[in-house]
Amino acid sequence: DADVTQTPRNRITKTGKRIMLECSQTKGHDRMYWYRQDPGLGLRLIYYSFDVKDINKGEISDGYSVSRQAQAKFSLSLESAIPNQTALYFCATSRGDFDSQPQHFGDGTRLSIL
Amino acid sequence: QKEVEQDPGPLSVPEGAIVSLNCTYSNSAFQYFMWYRQYSRKGPELLMYTYSSGNKEDGRFTAQVDKSSKYISLFIRDSQPSDSATYLCAMRMGGGADGLTFGKGTHLIIQP
Repeated sequence: DADVTQTPRNRITKTGKRIMLECSQTKGHDRMYWYRQDPGLGLRLIYYSFDVKDINKGEISDGYSVSRQAQAKFSLSLESAIPNQTALYFCATSRGDFDSQPQHFGDGTRLSIL
Repeated sequence: QKEVEQDPGPLSVPEGAIVSLNCTYSNSAFQYFMWYRQYSRKGPELLMYTYSSGNKEDGRFTAQVDKSSKYISLFIRDSQPSDSATYLCAMRMGGGADGLTFGKGTHLIIQP
């Protein structure tokens, strides 16, 4: 089983719909992250969480919200989806005991908004 | 100017060649440097992680960091067709700041 699991893997929906992307991890890491990947733009940070009570905005948080339901679960919501939110979305985790820990990624959710 | 510059390629080389992938950056606050490999329809996979200037070797892969020039490199020796993928450089600041800043990725093709 994958250490970082994202669901769904693919989603097609319509403009204006509410969407939730879910991420769960078995690595026991404290820190979790959401990124989006667009062709020609690379990966950009949306939100990150150092622990269940700590949520921080990233570079491109507008139009998104997150919830850290437990140490192992971090969900990303699009309250009212718009076509320019069509992208690949990745969840990542890292240890929180040292400042220098690398991030490990799930296999992503491909989201298309029509 | 973007904080991290990376040539998107594609870069096509014959099997067995030495591959050199590079990134430049402008923010001197970056302290930690990573290389990720990403296959189609998969997430980025960590290849190399370095902190200080200098070289770090792991099998066929060597990561090089030159903080004075704000330049990082990844070398792949004896390249194989299975190395064909997109290679992403990433970096982050220390001191509690978090989140990675990525280059756009270089698409590498190893010709059999």
